[in-house]
Amino acid sequence: QSALTQPASVSGSPGQSITISCTGTSSDVGGYNYVSWYQQHPGKAPKLMIYDVSNRPSGVSNRFSGSKSGNTASLTISGLQAEDEADYYCSSYTSSSTHWVFGGGTKLTVL
Amino acid sequence: QVQLQESGPGLVKPSGTLSLTCAVSGGSISSSNWWSWVRQPPGKGLEWIGEIYHSGSTNYNPSLKSRVTISVDKSKNQFSLKLSSVTAADTAVYYCARVWMGPLHAFDIWGQGTMVTVSS
Repeated sequence: QSALTQPASVSGSPGQSITISCTGTSSDVGGYNYVSWYQQHPGKAPKLMIYDVSNRPSGVSNRFSGSKSGNTASLTISGLQAEDEADYYCSSYTSSSTHWVFGGGTKLTVL
Repeated sequence: QVQLQESGPGLVKPSGTLSLTCAVSGGSISSSNWWSWVRQPPGKGLEWIGEIYHSGSTNYNPSLKSRVTISVDKSKNQFSLKLSSVTAADTAVYYCARVWMGPLHAFDIWGQGTMVTVSS
């Protein structure tokens, strides 16, 4: 069982928007603005898409945005494109001795 | 552009020790970053294993701490992972990654990953 809870799957049609949630506790998501999101295509390494809740690294499309409310962080992808179909993982720093925790991952299907 | 490359045996016998190395190119391992190992069992999610700073300071996942050793070799600009007493449950793709702890806080660069199978 992962430390952070994500839905197993979400889907959307091209052009639509989807949101993936990531729920933790006050020791991780709720306690730090150190939530990040990663995109992983099959057979590839994870790619950083969002850091520190809502910041995009250089080169990441502005269709990707992040937010947080309490112990739940969210990743929103607007204007869905076929290339967005992938697995998405959230991560957070935690005050526990684990230091870093990941969500179980969400499979995004573009219909 | 910093790049990471994992290397090591793809097959390890049960009860043996898994040993992997991550070579850092395009930058110095002595920069103000932590360097981490993350693994992903087939069809499953990501699991943080541990991290090291160039000074040698380490942090480990408590669930693996008794079996894990992460070390750094500044002369070779690389860091390594050793996981002892492996079982089939340790079969996974192992990634090395650069970790920022300021001004951003995330795993920003990842190696391509290396598959390690535990089997006799």
